[in-house]
Amino acid sequence: AQSVTQPDIHITVSEGASLELRCNYSYGATPYLFWYVQSPGQGLQLLLKYFSGDTLVQGIKGFEAEFKRSQSSFNLRKPSVHWSDAAEYFCAVNSGAGSYQLTFGKGTKLSVIP
Amino acid sequence: DTEVTQTPKHLVMGMTNKKSLKCEQHMGHRAMYWYKQKAKKPPELMFVYSYEKLSINESVPSRFSPECPNSSLLNLHLHALQPEDSALYLCASSQDHGADTEAFFGQGTRLTVV
Repeated sequence: AQSVTQPDIHITVSEGASLELRCNYSYGATPYLFWYVQSPGQGLQLLLKYFSGDTLVQGIKGFEAEFKRSQSSFNLRKPSVHWSDAAEYFCAVNSGAGSYQLTFGKGTKLSVIP
Repeated sequence: DTEVTQTPKHLVMGMTNKKSLKCEQHMGHRAMYWYKQKAKKPPELMFVYSYEKLSINESVPSRFSPECPNSSLLNLHLHALQPEDSALYLCASSQDHGADTEAFFGQGTRLTVV
């Protein structure tokens, strides 16, 4: 069965600092990988996705992520964090041999110090 | 229009009440989903509709009854809920229900069962 691990429950960074949120997945074949962001009490917004091709993907709001098959990782990065980036971030994997089976990690809460 | 609209945004209901959550999208998506999200947890899949037919039911109790009247609408009928059913209920849609599909989420309905 597929699974997603986000090792960091809570991360605090200063505004303007760089950010990396970790995500590891477990799945035999090439997974379809996603990062979503959720502000308190809100729905989920897709930041970026990886299906195939270039392993460095660019997303919205200045985020990027790199797929590393050898490490089974899909870490999210941003060079300079803004206070508005404070939110919950979910990594997710979808597989299932053609059928829908989106599995979320437990999430990483990002706090930003002004 | 890339929105998934959910109504109501907040709902308080008693354990003997019957209520419905509504979800609407006009992106021409043929797959729609209900998720349940408890506080500080990731979303958990409840139901998947594909081409207006129920394709996945993740062993959800019968007090939750989904309905897909047409390709744009998805309802979740609630009856005899328990306090532990209090959660954020998220609706999502995607082009189809394949693994390489991107899901768009609504803002959710915050449900409180008293």
